[in-house]
Amino acid sequence: AQSVTQLGSHVSVSEGALVLLRCNYSSSVPPYLFWYVQYPNQGLQLLLKYTTGATLVKGINGFEAEFKKSETSFHLTKPSAHMSDAAEYFCAVSGLNNNDMRFGAGTRLTVKP
Amino acid sequence: NAGVTQTPKFQVLKTGQSMTLQCAQDMNHNSMYWYRQDPGMGLRLIYYSASEGTTDKGEVPNGYNVSRLNKREFSLRLESAAPSQTSVYFCASSVHGGGFNSPLHFGNGTRLTVT
Repeated sequence: AQSVTQLGSHVSVSEGALVLLRCNYSSSVPPYLFWYVQYPNQGLQLLLKYTTGATLVKGINGFEAEFKKSETSFHLTKPSAHMSDAAEYFCAVSGLNNNDMRFGAGTRLTVKP
Repeated sequence: NAGVTQTPKFQVLKTGQSMTLQCAQDMNHNSMYWYRQDPGMGLRLIYYSASEGTTDKGEVPNGYNVSRLNKREFSLRLESAAPSQTSVYFCASSVHGGGFNSPLHFGNGTRLTVT
């Protein structure tokens, strides 16, 4: 079985500052890990994913995440926040099948001018 | 290119009423899913359809039924709505059911309130 814990339901940063959204997972099988972003009144969009291979994964809009097996973590970072990054971010873990996917509770990112 | 389309966008029901949420995708995807999103709980899978003609229960199926009408359409039915079913419902699809190279594509959601 899989589960995800996102640390911090709300993160606030200034424009231009580092964004760090934390995600820890639990999985009984080698995990596939995902970050999704949700803008207001929209569905979720895939930001990036880790399947196998390189542990540092680059996604859209300048985001990246590093898979650390020893820490069971998959934290999301962006060096410089932009106002347009304000949204809710969900970490998810799955096994081989999408129906095994489990989502975290989400982290709402606010970007201050 | 519409992607995943959900109707209606908003709905208010009284306890005990029934309704069907509609979902259609135009990406020729094989697998489709229904999720509910509640504050502080992320998304939870209600039902899914790995391929046309099959449906299976997800994490929270009680109080719901689904129909995979054809490859494009996957509907979710509430037979007797309860206040606990107040939520935002998302339909999603993927090329196939394997997560590692078949990401989910989501619709924009249906906001349902049951009074």
